[in-house]
Amino acid sequence: DTGVSQDPRHKITKRGQNVTFRCDPISEHNRLYWYRQTLGQGPEFLTYFQNEAQLEKSRLLSDRFSAERPKGSFSTLEIQRTEQGDSAMYLCASRYRENTEAFFGQGTRLTVV
Amino acid sequence: AQTVTQSQPEMSVQEAETVTLSCTYDTSENNYYLFWYKQPPSRQMILVIRQEAYKQQNATENRFSVNFQKAAKSFSLKISDSQLGDTAMYFCAFMKRGGGADGLTFGKGTHLIIQP
Repeated sequence: DTGVSQDPRHKITKRGQNVTFRCDPISEHNRLYWYRQTLGQGPEFLTYFQNEAQLEKSRLLSDRFSAERPKGSFSTLEIQRTEQGDSAMYLCASRYRENTEAFFGQGTRLTVV
Repeated sequence: AQTVTQSQPEMSVQEAETVTLSCTYDTSENNYYLFWYKQPPSRQMILVIRQEAYKQQNATENRFSVNFQKAAKSFSLKISDSQLGDTAMYFCAFMKRGGGADGLTFGKGTHLIIQP
């Protein structure tokens, strides 16, 4: 196991298109997080899964965003009808259990043109 | 809600010097963790050091140490004998301890540049 992996690393899309990102956490990590990082800012929390259950969603996660984690393994983040303001780095992190270190993936950089 | 403030957008020091990055936070929680994360250019975020709020002793990891002042809600990172590989964005982060969702709240970051 080589850590948290995210796919794709880069995505350029036209405004209005739908995009989907994938995150594969470290095996046996039951907690998975999505963050968004815009230029010059720190990552902002989007949503959190414990196993397959989505337990918390930030107000940043508009109706156009949806995340899933079927079977409690990999997770997907979909953005529908993308807008230029969605351009950002989307980071995934996983954690084995409460109060342990979170490991981050390299992120997916989304550019909406 | 928690907030984390990093007041130094960018810092630059010479190799081998000591540098201190500042961080303040605001929370009504009593049990929490504080972290410093490093994000090198085009690479993933990695944990540098962590501090449990209930511990009075400041955390240390090799060349990295923190000055945790709980009453002042201050959490600075000291890097001793700085190296070129320390060049990166550094983020201070807060995490509530226990009780369900435990996402991190990050500051805006400090861009640290180590000059040869």
